[in-house]
Amino acid sequence: SQQGEEDPQALSIQEGENATMNCSYKTSINNLQWYRQNSGRGLVHLILIRSNEREKHSGRLRVTLDTSKKSSSLLITASRAADTASYFCATDASNAGGTSYGKLTFGQGTILTVHP
Amino acid sequence: NAGVTQTPKFRVLKTGQSMTLLCAQDMNHEYMYWYRQDPGMGLRLIHYSVGEGTTAKGEVPDGYNVSRLKKQNFLLGLESAAPSQTSVYFCASSRQARRETQYFGPGTRLLVL
Repeated sequence: SQQGEEDPQALSIQEGENATMNCSYKTSINNLQWYRQNSGRGLVHLILIRSNEREKHSGRLRVTLDTSKKSSSLLITASRAADTASYFCATDASNAGGTSYGKLTFGQGTILTVHP
Repeated sequence: NAGVTQTPKFRVLKTGQSMTLLCAQDMNHEYMYWYRQDPGMGLRLIHYSVGEGTTAKGEVPDGYNVSRLKKQNFLLGLESAAPSQTSVYFCASSRQARRETQYFGPGTRLLVL
């Protein structure tokens, strides 16, 4: 079953605008990761936020994590046409013994289209 | 470094045929994973390996087998392909498991008729 639920499913904006994508999950996690997938390509890691972190930045990306609400958001500022892609959140949850084998559970993704 | 590579890139099978997908990584990573991606969905974990000679089941393992005889290679086998296995298959690797980035291959598109 898909742990992550992403919202919106699709987002269309103009270049220069900000894009915000949200992810909700169901169980406790070790960390949450965001990946980008260009059409027909593999996934590229964007950012990882640990369960004890609340906010993280990387260039034009800002990720927040609210473990009490079991949700995360990805903000892309000053978007560019090259940001057009699908964006996925993935959660890494430990098993009952607390061991993580890096088994990621992905959401269904948000399709972002940035118009020049 | 090539990173994570997958062969073949595309394959068409008839129902009941078998095939093996090869994943290779040159980053000396311990952990390797096989995922499948179906239209409009995220990736789902099929099998994974925590080191050479080890394999374990993921979320959707039925109909697949895997082997990790060498640290750099992770093979995914379909013994008797079914149309429900039509998908895009991605391999990934990571240095460790906890709090680690996974590096993905370019994917293999499989069509089962």
